[in-house]
Amino acid sequence: SYVLTQPPSVSVAPGQTARITCGGVNIGTKSVHWYQQRPGQAPAVVVFDDSDRPSGIPERVSGSNSGNTATLTISGVDAGDEAAYYCLVWDTTTDHWVFGGGTKLTVL
Amino acid sequence: EEQLVESGGGLVQPGGSLRLSCVASGLTFSDQEMNWVRQAPGKGLEWISYIGSFSRTTIYVADSVKGRFNISRDNAQNSVFLQMNDLRVEDTALYYCATLREGYHFFDLWGQGTLVTVSS
Repeated sequence: SYVLTQPPSVSVAPGQTARITCGGVNIGTKSVHWYQQRPGQAPAVVVFDDSDRPSGIPERVSGSNSGNTATLTISGVDAGDEAAYYCLVWDTTTDHWVFGGGTKLTVL
Repeated sequence: EEQLVESGGGLVQPGGSLRLSCVASGLTFSDQEMNWVRQAPGKGLEWISYIGSFSRTTIYVADSVKGRFNISRDNAQNSVFLQMNDLRVEDTALYYCATLREGYHFFDLWGQGTLVTVSS
């Protein structure tokens, strides 16, 4: 089965840029979606199809995907960005959806 | 307002069964492709099962629950269900239902989840 690998944690100072990676074999050939989950809340999509943002998500949140790594980038990080972030792909070979293990973003 | 509300969770012994329900409102339920996603306490997200829209019989099930969990829907009740049999301790989790964004492969609208605890 397809495996997505994320770092367990990322820490950045306020105002800096956070980059959260999601690794998978040839992930650049798949559409990657990113979710933010705050404690006690359901996940919410922040980027879909590699780099598109739903309405209401600011431009400082962006995504990219190439080769074996997809990246979620959050610039100008503030305390409100503290959350767990998950990547998601649909594996066409199995018709299964696969989540990465999640990354806890801490704002120092 | 579009909303999904799950119910049916609770405490069950290993080997037992539970049936989860998810009721949709504020949207055309029959058009929605529905999913169940779970999250063990303090852990990450795990997709469990998918059922197609309308009366399509397309169903996908994660390997971790195949043969034990069954997804179904009743469009007249605006509901999707998850029948869980032969429950194991490792099935303990918050179970979310979620719609699939039409034309895409990501989960769009989520409920708040229902907690299933499997313990003796």
